[in-house]
Amino acid sequence: QQQVKQSPQSLIVQKGGISIINCAYENTAFDYFPWYQQFPGKGPALLIAIRPDVSEKKEGRFTISFNKSAKQFSLHIMDSQPGDSATYFCAASGGGADGLTFGKGTHLIIQP
Amino acid sequence: DAMVIQNPRYQVTQFGKPVTLSCSQTLNHNVMYWYQQKSSQAPKLLFHYYDKDFNNEADTPDNFQSRRPNTSFCFLDIRSPGLGDAAMYLCATSRGNSGGTDTQYFGPGTRLTVL
Repeated sequence: QQQVKQSPQSLIVQKGGISIINCAYENTAFDYFPWYQQFPGKGPALLIAIRPDVSEKKEGRFTISFNKSAKQFSLHIMDSQPGDSATYFCAASGGGADGLTFGKGTHLIIQP
Repeated sequence: DAMVIQNPRYQVTQFGKPVTLSCSQTLNHNVMYWYQQKSSQAPKLLFHYYDKDFNNEADTPDNFQSRRPNTSFCFLDIRSPGLGDAAMYLCATSRGNSGGTDTQYFGPGTRLTVL
């Protein structure tokens, strides 16, 4: 049973455009929702994270939107740049020492 | 720089030959995790240690074991690797704080090849 569903699987965006990746979760015990960026051959690196007590969090060009009632959250990358080309994973956990449950990932390509 | 270090970065083993992967951290974090990431898939949690307390995921095969001799080091032992165990193995750490805001920091991974 996949507890975090992520879409799309792959995404191509023109430089300067907005990249949008969506995730949905099933487990209502989740209360921490991070997004990780992974480059080939590297470990995932935390990009931005949110808790369900807020509906939006913005850090630079990256924004998480969170809809608790729909159990959905999304990542928006504004002014997308070629250096943003990577695989993006949404994840969820119950917080504390709980491990992360990852979505299947989105392979993002930003075309110059 | 404080970080999570994994050795080796690449490991080749033979079918059925035991192998050990190593993770060390300079972050002084309470929790250390092991994830398995197969090609083009999401990382999957195998188990984690909170200090010396071991927490195994229900679907982690018995073939996978772990040891944490001290705060800084954690090892992943694969007793009899099969072809299906070829993957990237990721170590991560966190403080283990309550409150749902605990960041996990990942190492660069060890890519395991099974011949």
